[in-house]
Amino acid sequence: SQQGEEDPQALSIQEGENATMNCSYKTSINNLQWYRQNSGRGLVHLILIRSNEREKHSGRLRVTLDTSKKSSSLLITASRAADTASYFCATGRASGSRLTFGEGTQLTVNP
Amino acid sequence: SAVISQKPSRDICQRGTSLTIQCQVDSQVTMMFWYRQQPGQSLTLIATANQGSEATYESGFVIDKFPISRPNLTFSTLTVSNMSPEDSSIYLCSVEAAGVFFTDTQYFGPGTRLTVL
Repeated sequence: SQQGEEDPQALSIQEGENATMNCSYKTSINNLQWYRQNSGRGLVHLILIRSNEREKHSGRLRVTLDTSKKSSSLLITASRAADTASYFCATGRASGSRLTFGEGTQLTVNP
Repeated sequence: SAVISQKPSRDICQRGTSLTIQCQVDSQVTMMFWYRQQPGQSLTLIATANQGSEATYESGFVIDKFPISRPNLTFSTLTVSNMSPEDSSIYLCSVEAAGVFFTDTQYFGPGTRLTVL
């Protein structure tokens, strides 16, 4: 079974708005990674946050991690139509270990 | 980062046949992973393939159905055997960036979209 749960399952916003997606998990982790997938193609790695980190930024992306609540959020600021995709969180329980994926959030950014 | 290619990118196969998917990485990596993504769903790990040892399969996946080869540090194959329509999925390989220390970042290939009729 999937460890991660993401909400919302689907999110539709207008271009220029911010999009926030949440991910929860059940067990202790070493790291949490966010990926984007366009139309059933390969996954693009967005950002990795380690269990001893609370926040990371990369361009328009901001990721937070709260290990006490076993949750993470991905914020995309000033969204663009090209951000339309499925977004997945994935957790690694140890360094070098396999990833367990959440169910994903389908983001639609309307022009 | 690692650049990963997969062949074929897509295929349509008949029930009962087998398909071998290739995964090529542009650098040497210790760990390679094979995932399956069924239509409209998330990714599920099939197996972990390390060079020089037998692949380790996840619960629900068996070697007879999904044999894996890992002949060197840059290449792996996954075979989907005796296919049925339920095997219609995207199959993705992934690698962890190489180095003395694990970086933990996993990179994915473009996927192979398989349709079984």
